[in-house]
Formats: sequence, structure tokens, C-alpha cells
Amino acid sequence: LAKTTQPISMDSYEGQEVNITCSHNNIATNDYITWYQQFPSQGPRFIIQGYKTKVTNEVASLFIPADRKSSTLSLPRVSLSDTAVYYCLVHGGATNKLIFGTGTLLAVQP
Amino acid sequence: DTGVSQDPRHKITKRGQNVTFRCDPISEHNRLYWYRQTLGQGPEFLTYFQNEAQLEKSRLLSDRFSAERPKGSFSTLEIQRTEQGDSAMYLCASSPGLTNTGELFFGEGSRLTVL
Repeated sequence: LAKTTQPISMDSYEGQEVNITCSHNNIATNDYITWYQQFPSQGPRFIIQGYKTKVTNEVASLFIPADRKSSTLSLPRVSLSDTAVYYCLVHGGATNKLIFGTGTLLAVQP
Repeated sequence: DTGVSQDPRHKITKRGQNVTFRCDPISEHNRLYWYRQTLGQGPEFLTYFQNEAQLEKSRLLSDRFSAERPKGSFSTLEIQRTEQGDSAMYLCASSPGLTNTGELFFGEGSRLTVL
């Protein structure tokens, strides 16, 4: 399983765009990149998944460069309620489990 | 609510006691996962089921831990002779289908405190 590296924490202000970058230098050809969000005392929640280039949904965008050795989760116009831990995961299609790292604690201030 | 349900949400017990957690996955989800999470850490994989078959167990799961999913629906996680180090949030997740697409649906967890 590819190891991921992401910042331990980030600070932002309401209304700003936040970009969280994750490094996964050893990503395999058939690996996907998935991001989860977790609020205190709740289970993680799936945000977005991608394989290459750009993926966008109603919550976030995911940018993946051609070499796929990193990915960037972009949250547009964050609000206080986006304060959470964000996890980047890399996994193969046949993987039976997801491995979580320590994630990035995003703190959004007014 | 049709999400993953876990019970109890909170459990306080004394060291040496046995505890059991229950997880009700989303209806018709084939896969069910158990994770454990301690403060400041990401969830750690413990075990997973495909229908009633337990297909993988982490080395973190000592002999004191046992999980079942007898009819391929709800699951239980039992911890025998609890230790203070077992204090954690125990998370259950489920997913549809026979392959892992990366999208798991987590419950809100069962928080265990061992005194």
C-alpha cells in the first residue's frame, strides 16, 4: 500500500479557498486516491475520489498531476463548519481495506 | 435513518471486564469493517467481513478481540478482559458490492473507556 504524507495541520479563514496537498510517491498504476473528512466524535465521511487529472463534486475538487505522485484537495470558500480532519488515502481496486494516516487538521477561523 | 448504526455509543467499564459492541450496516451492504481510533490518530483497520465470512484480521486484533457477523447483516465486536489500552473509539463501516471502491460508510462509533 502506498504511503501518504500530508501536513499535520492548516489554518484558514472563512471564505477562503483551502488546498491540502498529499504526497504519495510510491503510488501504483492501479491505485486510486480518496479523501475523507472527519468531525470530532464522528466517523469519517467520504469526500471525493480520483485516478488522474481533475475530479469535482458539490463538496470539493481533487487535482492529480500527470505523474500522480501527489494530489491536492481543494475546498472552495470554507466556512467554520469545514473545521475537521482530512485524510488522504491511496488504495488499489482490489484492496480489501483502507489505511488511514494521521490526516490534516484544518482549522477555519472567522 | 438508514446509515450505519452502532450501539452503545459510549461504554465505561472496569479493567478485566468484557464488552460487546454492535454494528448494523446499511441494508444490503455486503462488506462490513471494524476500525479503532485513538485520540490524535487516524482510524486503524481491525477486521472486515464479506457477508458472513471474516476475510481479514489485523495483527492489532489480539486474542482478546473477536468479531462475528453470523447472518451477514449486523456484526458484533467483543473485547474480553479489557485493558486500559483498549480505550478508544471503535468504528464500524460498510460498503456495497463485492469489491472495495474506496467509499466506506462509517457509523458514529462506540467510545470505550476502560478504568
